[in-house]
Amino acid sequence: DGGITQSPKYLFRKEGQNVTLSCEQNLNHDAMYWYRQDPGQGLRLIYYSQIVNDFQKGDIAEGYSVSREKKESFPLTVTSAQKNPTAFYLCASSPGHRNYGYTFGSGTRLTVV
Amino acid sequence: DAKTTQPNSMESNEEEPVHLPCNHSTISGTDYIHWYRQLPSQGPEYVIHGLTSNVNNRMASLAIAEDRKSSTLILHRATLRDAAVYYCILSGVGSNDYKLSFGAGTTVTVRA
Repeated sequence: DGGITQSPKYLFRKEGQNVTLSCEQNLNHDAMYWYRQDPGQGLRLIYYSQIVNDFQKGDIAEGYSVSREKKESFPLTVTSAQKNPTAFYLCASSPGHRNYGYTFGSGTRLTVV
Repeated sequence: DAKTTQPNSMESNEEEPVHLPCNHSTISGTDYIHWYRQLPSQGPEYVIHGLTSNVNNRMASLAIAEDRKSSTLILHRATLRDAAVYYCILSGVGSNDYKLSFGAGTTVTVRA
């Protein structure tokens, strides 16, 4: 079955450490996205990529970095510069046209300890 | 940028229809209307989308006003599994790319 896989499901990080969240899709989608969700809030866009080797900042990119070396993969690194990294992180993909919906992964819950 | 306005919450009884309104008075002619729903601790799930005509699928129906300034998501017979946050979103808002902007959505509670 096609879909998006995010790993790990839960992640704990010490303050000052960088951590990378994985996102892999086998839907042959061109576009991929990273969102952050805080408790009781909607989703906020961190970064997105419409094609391989290209990505753009979303609304809250500070303290995060991404790469898109392969169509299937769009990892997100949460750096030590991110002041409040504890959150639920969601990855999504789409064919890249506004007439198509997004497919979301099941999310990674990051906690800074 | 065109935005959407939804009620914060709605309640329904099991097996009754649910009508979720969404206002988008500044929608542009090329914006699609998308609906997603999110269960607790899960990623959002695509529900339905449309441009001008009403749309039906196995999950729900989408009724779009003739002037496109509002739309309504209709769940025909609510079940307990339909309790979720429902997001109404416009795609391609104000740009040539296709990122979606999620607001706070409507929290739907279904009473048994």
